[in-house]
Amino acid sequence: DTEVTQTPKHLVMGMTNKKSLKCEQHMGHRAMYWYKQKAKKPPELMFVYSYEKLSINESVPSRFSPECPNSSLLNLHLHALQPEDSALYLCASSQGQGVYNQPQHFGDGTRLSIL
Amino acid sequence: AQKITQTQPGMFVQEKEAVTLDCTYDTSDPSYGLFWYKQPSSGEMIFLIYQGSYDQQNATEGRYSLNFQKARKSANLVISASQLGDSAMYFCAMREGPNDYKLSFGAGTTVTVRA
Repeated sequence: DTEVTQTPKHLVMGMTNKKSLKCEQHMGHRAMYWYKQKAKKPPELMFVYSYEKLSINESVPSRFSPECPNSSLLNLHLHALQPEDSALYLCASSQGQGVYNQPQHFGDGTRLSIL
Repeated sequence: AQKITQTQPGMFVQEKEAVTLDCTYDTSDPSYGLFWYKQPSSGEMIFLIYQGSYDQQNATEGRYSLNFQKARKSANLVISASQLGDSAMYFCAMREGPNDYKLSFGAGTTVTVRA
């Protein structure tokens, strides 16, 4: 079992739907991340939250909207997605800035399919 | 320029044998960390081992060891006594500097362990 929990594990949605991905960690980490991963490719960074504030947005389309309600939770709100957005979405967490020797801990991911 | 290069797209290894996965990196920052992750077909990214740029000794974690050659900018992962459960994709990643949240990932190497 991972220490980063993601729900749901699988999600199928239409292009007009609105859905949310959820991520939770209880390791006291202060940085949380969203990645998108296509099959047989490395993860691509989407967003980084540091101390509950958005620190990095890798020019992600506005149909993806992140939210960090508190230090343990991270959401990714989805709206009007395109078929090319079908992918594995991974959440990760790590200790805060200045602790570069600590790894990012990943969840199991949400497999998203856009019809 | 690619920061992390993994030149082996796929490898086969016999059960109980050792396997070496290649990773070379490119950075001008004197402070950096190198990470290896394992990703089974289930999707979770599992942290395996870490090597810091100032570490004098090669990192080891159980059956995993890292052959760190700083002058050659290489950080090869060695898996000893391969098991069927080692079949997965393996990613080498680098973080540059103490305040950078970003991980640069290599393209990955798929390892298949044969009985």
